[in-house]
Amino acid sequence: GAGVSQSPSNKVTEKGKDVELRCDPISGHTALYWYRQRLGQGLEFLIYFQGNSAPDKSGLPSDRFSAERTGESVSTLTIQRTQQEDSAVYLCASSLAKGAYEQYFGPGTRLTVT
Amino acid sequence: GDSVTQMEGPVTLSEEAFLTINCTYTATGYPSLFWYVQYPGEGLQLLLKATKADDKGSNKGFEATYRKETTSFHLEKGSVQVSDSAVYFCALSGRAQKLVFGQGTRLTINP
Repeated sequence: GAGVSQSPSNKVTEKGKDVELRCDPISGHTALYWYRQRLGQGLEFLIYFQGNSAPDKSGLPSDRFSAERTGESVSTLTIQRTQQEDSAVYLCASSLAKGAYEQYFGPGTRLTVT
Repeated sequence: GDSVTQMEGPVTLSEEAFLTINCTYTATGYPSLFWYVQYPGEGLQLLLKATKADDKGSNKGFEATYRKETTSFHLEKGSVQVSDSAVYFCALSGRAQKLVFGQGTRLTINP
């Protein structure tokens, strides 16, 4: 079956512009996560959604970052007024539920802010 | 807060060598522990996991044992292959139920 998909795969933007990244989770997965991977570093948790519960936004680095999810489907991560330090690979993952269930990762969106 | 520390890389070995990648963690309660792998040009995928103390996760010849007394989850393989070249991430899922990752270890296996 289809895995987690993300779009675009690459995005180059100018400093100060807004960007929107999209994630399509695996059908039936109620939990959805966003992570950021800076060059040469591990993954940094940003936000997760679990069904209709309030999202856990504790990893968002600033109020320029926001994310939405429609029901148990598509999610978008928006970065406003991008800065050069936002350059990273943004990874989305989904799982059957939160916790110890396996998270399935998408291929990521490589964001470059010039 | 919860954290994971893993062996710094890069690690370079010859084919058929024994592999250990160290991983230790700090967490409240009893987290679940994971090893994820990222092969060149591919997405991150789960390699193995353990959900309670003394559990051993295993897959593709890799093993890791959840050691509560030493707060460790070291990854081992008895005989590595060129195809094992990848970046390996140790991770935990604790009370907050989100994955906390180590910084990753790049492994290169030479024929």
